Amino acid sequence: AQRVTQPEKLLSVFKGAPVELKCNYSYSGSPELFWYVQYSRQRLQLLLRHISRESIKGFTADLNKGETSFHLKKPFAQEEDSAMYYCALRQGTYKYIFGTGTRLKVLA
Amino acid sequence: SQTIHQWPATLVQPVGSPLSLECTVEGTSNPNLYWYRQAAGRGLQLLFYSVGIGQISSEVPQNLSASRPQDRQFILSSKKLLLSDSGFYLCAWRGTLTDTQYFGPGTRLTVL
Repeated sequence: AQRVTQPEKLLSVFKGAPVELKCNYSYSGSPELFWYVQYSRQRLQLLLRHISRESIKGFTADLNKGETSFHLKKPFAQEEDSAMYYCALRQGTYKYIFGTGTRLKVLA
Repeated sequence: SQTIHQWPATLVQPVGSPLSLECTVEGTSNPNLYWYRQAAGRGLQLLFYSVGIGQISSEVPQNLSASRPQDRQFILSSKKLLLSDSGFYLCAWRGTLTDTQYFGPGTRLTVL
């Protein structure tokens, strides 16, 4: 079955420390993967997608087909990065499967 | 620019009562529309999606239904609410030429 797994419910790091939010997927086809973020009192919004190979707010994510992973990384965490992060997989043309989310807390 | 609205923002309903949540999109045509439920520890669960007027795909068999009476209007309904219907409901839209979903502010539903 198609699945997105985010093993950590909560991740706490100190400001300036590296961050890695884990995402593993199970998908029989060629995956299209995304990271969405929800800051406090804001709407859920797209952070980045693997196909764009972009860096947004210092975050990057590399698709590793061998390990079926799409981990989100940032070398130096900032307090404003504190938020809920969701990994998502597009299944087919229209459907999306989201993980259970990881709450990132960046401590001063 | 495109915007997405949901109402009401919060709702408290007794068990067995009906439900109607509304979602509207402005500034775009023929969007793909989605209803999700966000529950603690369960992430975002896709409930319904629609690729056009009157076209509804149901992902989770349950006590809810969806309708799309107009191009930019998506309604989530129930005839009789259950306690388990409590949650945070999100509507989202996606353009036909983009892979980005844009989410609404959500509706917090509490069934007592």
